[in-house]
Amino acid sequence: GQQVMQIPQYQHVQEGEDFTTYCNSSTTLSNIQWYKQRPGGHPVFLIQLVKSGEVKKQKRLTFQFGEAKKNSSLHITATQTTDVGTYFCAGQAGTALIFGKGTTLSVSS
Amino acid sequence: DGGITQSPKYLFRKEGQNVTLSCEQNLNHDAMYWYRQDPGQGLRLIYYSQIVNDFQKGDIAEGYSVSREKKESFPLTVTSAQKNPTAFYLCASGPTYEQYFGPGTRLTVT
Repeated sequence: GQQVMQIPQYQHVQEGEDFTTYCNSSTTLSNIQWYKQRPGGHPVFLIQLVKSGEVKKQKRLTFQFGEAKKNSSLHITATQTTDVGTYFCAGQAGTALIFGKGTTLSVSS
Repeated sequence: DGGITQSPKYLFRKEGQNVTLSCEQNLNHDAMYWYRQDPGQGLRLIYYSQIVNDFQKGDIAEGYSVSREKKESFPLTVTSAQKNPTAFYLCASGPTYEQYFGPGTRLTVT
């Protein structure tokens, strides 16, 4: 069946270092979304990417959608302790929205 | 103040009992969803509803039931047929391309 794989599962960085999480789909996606879940919290929508090769930025966060619309990445520049949490990608193909298992980011100061 | 509410935050039940989790939204969204989250796992779709009085099974609907009698409400019943009910349950609403999540209910069945 349709799958969305996300790596790495865990990442620990020192404050100020960069961080990247990657998402790969087995099928072509109509769009991909990114969500952040703080420890003990619920997922919060960050962004949606729709176009092939699309790049969007939100302050220190950069989101990319691959040319084939099968992969995506989230890059955080100069991490801060407020960035801790689990980042999920969610790919849509047809009416189904498939979530990756998430990348949990921890940041030490 | 618009949003999605789920209650209670924590719920404890004995094995063999049915339990209903509530989800209410005042965002005027047509679509609502129920997800289950287990440690180290992504979100798995249980049921979704795109309109009042209509709902569809998600990937893991066995042992669960829902109703959608009002646009604002989408309660989930975890039945005794669900073999591993202990989990974090998240309700969401909104279009598929941008979902808004409630705070979740952490259910423990012993």
